[in-house]
Amino acid sequence: GQQVMQIPQYQHVQEGEDFTTYCNSSTTLSNIQWYKQRPGGHPVFLIQLVKSGEVKKQKRLTFQFGEAKKNSSLHITATQTTDVGTYFCAGSGGTSGTYKYIFGTGTRLKVLA
Amino acid sequence: DAGVTQSPTHLIKTRGQQVTLRCSPKSGHDTVSWYQQALGQGPQFIFQYYEEEERQRGNFPDRFSGHQFPNYSSELNVNALLLGDSALYLCASSLRGAGKETQYFGPGTRLLVL
Repeated sequence: GQQVMQIPQYQHVQEGEDFTTYCNSSTTLSNIQWYKQRPGGHPVFLIQLVKSGEVKKQKRLTFQFGEAKKNSSLHITATQTTDVGTYFCAGSGGTSGTYKYIFGTGTRLKVLA
Repeated sequence: DAGVTQSPTHLIKTRGQQVTLRCSPKSGHDTVSWYQQALGQGPQFIFQYYEEEERQRGNFPDRFSGHQFPNYSSELNVNALLLGDSALYLCASSLRGAGKETQYFGPGTRLLVL
């Protein structure tokens, strides 16, 4: 079945360093969403990408959707301790159907002060 | 404007029992999706309800069933509980849920099966 993988699984960075997580789908997606989940919390929607090659920015966060709509990335510039959490991508479309979101395996970010 | 609410917050059951979890969507939302999140993993889609019908289902056995009420709230029922059903159960609401809407997640119900 359709799979969505994320790398790396874990990332420890010093505060102020940059961070990137990559998301790869086994099939072409219609759109992709990114979520952040703090320890003990629930996923919180960050952004949605729909168009091939789309790039969106939210302050220090930059999101990209690949040209083939099978991969995506989230880049955080100058990390802060408030960025700690697990970042998930979730793809819709492809063989999984229109309404179902397949979540990636997640990247757990720790920021050392 | 209330967000997504879920009840109960925590639950302990024994193998073979049945459980019902409840979700109230964000005001104005009409679609509810249920997810299971095991420890250290990403949420896995169980099913989605729209207009009181199950619109799409993930790879979960028939022991998992649901319902959506006219006020758009929803229930998730799990029969014949197994140890492996221990997880965080998340409800997400959206508008129309056509695959391109923002999903708002509730705080979840932590289920422990002993």
